[in-house]
Amino acid sequence: EVQLLESGGGLVQPGGSLRLSCAASGFTFSSYAMSWVRQAPGKGLEWVSGFSGNGGSTYYADSVKGRFTISRDNSKNTLYMQMNSLRAEDTAIYHCAKEPHDSGSFFFDHWGQGTLVTVAS
Amino acid sequence: DIQMTQSPSTLSASVGDRVTITCRASQSTSTWLAWYQHKPGKAPKLLIYKASNLESGVPSRFSGSGSGTEFTLTISSLQPDDFATYYCQQYNTYSRTFGQGTKVEIK
Repeated sequence: EVQLLESGGGLVQPGGSLRLSCAASGFTFSSYAMSWVRQAPGKGLEWVSGFSGNGGSTYYADSVKGRFTISRDNSKNTLYMQMNSLRAEDTAIYHCAKEPHDSGSFFFDHWGQGTLVTVAS
Repeated sequence: DIQMTQSPSTLSASVGDRVTITCRASQSTSTWLAWYQHKPGKAPKLLIYKASNLESGVPSRFSGSGSGTEFTLTISSLQPDDFATYYCQQYNTYSRTFGQGTKVEIK
């Protein structure tokens, strides 16, 4: 059974940093692209960033480009998101999501429940 | 980015009703479209991919159709477990975008 468990969320001041983790199990992690998708309070879903399986390609939404860095450790079956220069508008639940292939643009066939990031003073 | 617009934003229905949600794209996405069900505090769940393909394990009362810029999700007979928010998502471009969501409420 595919499981995705996010951690690392919390309260941070504007301008601060946070690192999210997503521990994956139940599938061959290195063979699949992974993404982060967020949901701000009262809003819809927003794709934030993606990382191909083995190829090392990374992609970002314009809203986080230059501030967030996605990475993965295939030996630990873990996806990360380093978030710097955080803004109030980054407040959201951050979901880790698995894609059905190693690369390309796809849908998300499994999701985690998410971790809450709150940016406030 | 391709903008996705869902209608309605909220839908009130009763158990057993046939429910249809529409999703329109600002430009053609061919059939690169997915639908998700999301309940508060839970992980979103994939229902439909490539516009009309039912994800494994999803009940057959869910169906999807459409291509280009207009898509629909239909629930043939609404069940108590189906009250949730539904999102469409295009994956024609890497910058994937979602509709704003349709909340299906109990009438």
